[in-house]
Amino acid sequence: GNSVTQMEGPVTLSEEAFLTINCTYTATGYPSLFWYVQYPGEGLQLLLKATKADDKGSNKGFEATYRKETTSFHLEKGSVQVSDSAVYFCALGYYGGSQGNLIFGKGTKLSVKP
Amino acid sequence: EAGVAQSPRYKIIEKRQSVAFWCNPISGHATLYWYQQILGQGPKLLIQFQNNGVVDDSQLPKDRFSAERLKGVDSTLKIQPAKLEDSAVYLCASSLDAGGWSGANVLTFGAGSRLTVL
Repeated sequence: GNSVTQMEGPVTLSEEAFLTINCTYTATGYPSLFWYVQYPGEGLQLLLKATKADDKGSNKGFEATYRKETTSFHLEKGSVQVSDSAVYFCALGYYGGSQGNLIFGKGTKLSVKP
Repeated sequence: EAGVAQSPRYKIIEKRQSVAFWCNPISGHATLYWYQQILGQGPKLLIQFQNNGVVDDSQLPKDRFSAERLKGVDSTLKIQPAKLEDSAVYLCASSLDAGGWSGANVLTFGAGSRLTVL
C-alpha cells in the first residue's frame, strides 16, 4: 500500500543552522507530494508541494524536490529561525477520481533555539 | 476567505459516553474530510465526503463512529460509545474538488477538536 516514512524527531537546532528532514514514500502511480506544518495550538498548514517528478516546491525559505528515482521528498532550509519551531508532516496524495485524501507520515518535531 | 471552522476545540468525556464534533468547511468546497490525529502520529483519514455523499469511509470504525454531511455543507462526526483509544485530535479539512488531476487542489485544515477520554 501507499505510505510515507519520515525521520524520527525531535530535531533540535540552533538559529541559522541548516535543516534537513528526510521523507521517503511508497506509492503506486504518480502521487503529489506535500509538506505540511503544524505550529503549536494550530491546525495543519500547507508549506509546499510538488506534483510531478523533479518538481521543486518552495515557500518561506523551505524547499523540497520530488525525486522519483529515490522515492524521496526531503525538506530543507538553509537558515532556520526560532519561529520555524513546529511539527512537520510529509504527505502524499492522489487527485483523481475518489482518491483525494492525503496519507501522512508520523511527523517530525523541530525545535530551534536562539 | 474564512477558514475551516471546527467546534468544540476541547472536549473531555468518560469512556462509554458520546461526543459530537462539528465542521463548517470553506464556502464552495465540495469535498470534506475528517482525520484522526493520535498524539505522536500523523493524521489518518476517517471519512471523505464529496458534496453530501460518502466517497471513502474504509477506515471509519463504524461500530462507534458515524458522520454525516447534510446539504453538502456542514458536517458532524459522532462517537458513541467512546473508548480510551479514541483520545485524539479530530481534524476537519476541505478542498475545492477531489476529482480531476489538479496540483492546485490542496486541503485546508481546521484547528481541530481535541478529545480526551477518561
